Amino acid sequence: DSGVTQTPKHLITATGQRVTLRCSPRSGDLSVYWYQQSLDQGLQFLIQYYNGEERAKGNILERFSAQQFPDLHSELNLSSLELGDSALYFCASSVTPTRAGIETQYFGPGTRLLVL
Amino acid sequence: GDSVTQMEGPVTLSEEAFLTINCTYTATGYPSLFWYVQYPGEGLQLLLKATKADDKGSNKGFEATYRKETTSFHLEKGSVQVSDSAVYFCALRGRGSTLGRLYFGRGTQLTVWP
Repeated sequence: DSGVTQTPKHLITATGQRVTLRCSPRSGDLSVYWYQQSLDQGLQFLIQYYNGEERAKGNILERFSAQQFPDLHSELNLSSLELGDSALYFCASSVTPTRAGIETQYFGPGTRLLVL
Repeated sequence: GDSVTQMEGPVTLSEEAFLTINCTYTATGYPSLFWYVQYPGEGLQLLLKATKADDKGSNKGFEATYRKETTSFHLEKGSVQVSDSAVYFCALRGRGSTLGRLYFGRGTQLTVWP
């Protein structure tokens, strides 16, 4: 158990809908990362938050957005869903992004999204 | 840009066989390198890491050495077990503007038969 929790574990929805994925980082971790794992793209970085502020953006679509709340949990919002958004979405957390290359990212179990 | 290339699978071995999964990287400066493992139906777990050249990461019998001259971080295990069956991901974290995010390889599926 990494200490990172994600809900829900599975999500089935229809095209055009909107969903929210939730992540609680490990106790004490200030930084949260979101990744998408799909068969064709592999594991791709989406976005990073540190202590409530956005720090880095990767291959995140404009239909997707995220935020980190004062209690440090994070939510990833996916809207106008398409079939191609079906994937496993992982959240990871680490202590701080400032110590270059030292800190470890701990991953949650993921949310499996299926868009029908 | 930063990237990781790892050998494509699947890799199928008998129990107690020697394992090597190749991983090479492209990065500016001195990245940190990682191997993560994903067991069926689970999330990614950190297996080992190395943060500077010539460092050797090791865990659960797995080892990988950070080779700057060949930009490689190959994963090895002397004697695999059925319980090692999983998908293995090589990853790097760069420095500077890309600080924090991980770049992953495509993953290598390992199946170990008794």
